[in-house]
Amino acid sequence: DAKTTQPPSMDCAEGRAANLPCNHSTISGNEYVYWYRQIHSQGPQYIIHGLKNNETNEMASLIITEDRKSSTLILPHATLRDTAVYYCIVSSYNNNDMRFGAGTRLTVKP
Amino acid sequence: EAQVTQNPRYLITVTGKKLTVTCSQNMNHEYMSWYRQDPGLGLRQIYYSMNVEVTDKGDVPEGYKVSRKEKRNFPLILESPSPNQTSLYFCASSPGHKNTEAFFGQGTRLTVV
Repeated sequence: DAKTTQPPSMDCAEGRAANLPCNHSTISGNEYVYWYRQIHSQGPQYIIHGLKNNETNEMASLIITEDRKSSTLILPHATLRDTAVYYCIVSSYNNNDMRFGAGTRLTVKP
Repeated sequence: EAQVTQNPRYLITVTGKKLTVTCSQNMNHEYMSWYRQDPGLGLRQIYYSMNVEVTDKGDVPEGYKVSRKEKRNFPLILESPSPNQTSLYFCASSPGHKNTEAFFGQGTRLTVV
């Protein structure tokens, strides 16, 4: 599976949009981009995923560049409860073969 | 409520004493897997199972066993635990076909002394 690169940490002001980048320059045509987050030491929680089109759900939006080599997860109105480690994962077959990197530690500040 | 349930949540044991961490899902998922999480190393896959009676090694299988006798359960077995298996363990399940999300349990914090 393709590796991903994420910044180790980011801060965001409460109520503002949090934009978390991810580079996956070696992504293959059949690989999806998934985002999960982990709050404290709880089990990872699914956020969103996409193949090549932008996606939006009740939690977030996912913007994938046209060449699919990078993506951005957007939390439109970050709250203190969004403080977590966010993982960007590229999966080839399905999400049965997920490889978690170090992720981005997002801190939402009042 | 759809969920993945792990037991126990916390366990302290001694070196060499066999233990089993249970994992059960109520979503009729075909795919289940186990991860361990250690500081600085992230989540690493131990074993996975594509369906009943089908299991395979992940990235760090040494020292662990699993079984999948029924679809809902996927226990993790440590025959002879050692201190380097002290870790936070997560079980996950998913429907097993493309384009689906995985559901994770709440974790089992294991300490081997």
